[in-house]
Amino acid sequence: EVQLLESGGGLVQPGGSLRLSCAASGFTFSNYAMTWVRQAPGKGLKWVSTISGNGGGTYYADSVKGRFTISRDNSQNTVYLQMNNLRAEDTAVYYCAKDRRSSSSGVGYGNFDYWGQGTLVTVSS
Amino acid sequence: DIQMTQSPSSLSASVGDRVTITCRASQIISTNLNWYQQKPGKAPKFLIYTASSLQSGVPSRFSGSGSGTDFTLTISSLQPEDFATYYCQQSFSTPWTFGQGTRVEIK
Repeated sequence: EVQLLESGGGLVQPGGSLRLSCAASGFTFSNYAMTWVRQAPGKGLKWVSTISGNGGGTYYADSVKGRFTISRDNSQNTVYLQMNNLRAEDTAVYYCAKDRRSSSSGVGYGNFDYWGQGTLVTVSS
Repeated sequence: DIQMTQSPSSLSASVGDRVTITCRASQIISTNLNWYQQKPGKAPKFLIYTASSLQSGVPSRFSGSGSGTDFTLTISSLQPEDFATYYCQQSFSTPWTFGQGTRVEIK
């Protein structure tokens, strides 16, 4: 059974940093691109970042480029999102999601068959 | 960026009704279109990929169609567990983008 478990959310002041983790199980982790999607309170879904299965390719939304860094540890079946210089508009539930089809390199296929339960990030003074 | 526009933004329907949600892309995306269902406080659930392929385990009352720029999600006979918000999403090119959502409420 595929499981994705996010952690690391919390309350942080503007300009602060936070690192999210997503622990995966139930599939061959290194074969799949992994993605972070966020949802601001009462709003829709927005893609944040994707990392290729082998970790060699990373992709970001313009709104987080230069502030967020996605990485993965295939030996630990975990994907991370390092978030720096946080802003109020980064407040959201952050979900990690697995690509539907295996692809060890590249941005993947962009459709997400399994999602974690989400972790809330609140940026406020 | 490819803009995804859903209509309506919300609708009220009764159990047993046929429900159709429309999604329009700002440029041609072939059949690179996916649908998700989200219930309050829960993660999105994957329903349909490549416009019309049903994800394993999803009831057959859900169906998708379309290509190019215009797509539809149809629920043939609405069930109580189907009251939720539905999102389309294009997987043609990054940045992957979602529609704004369609909330399906009980009439």
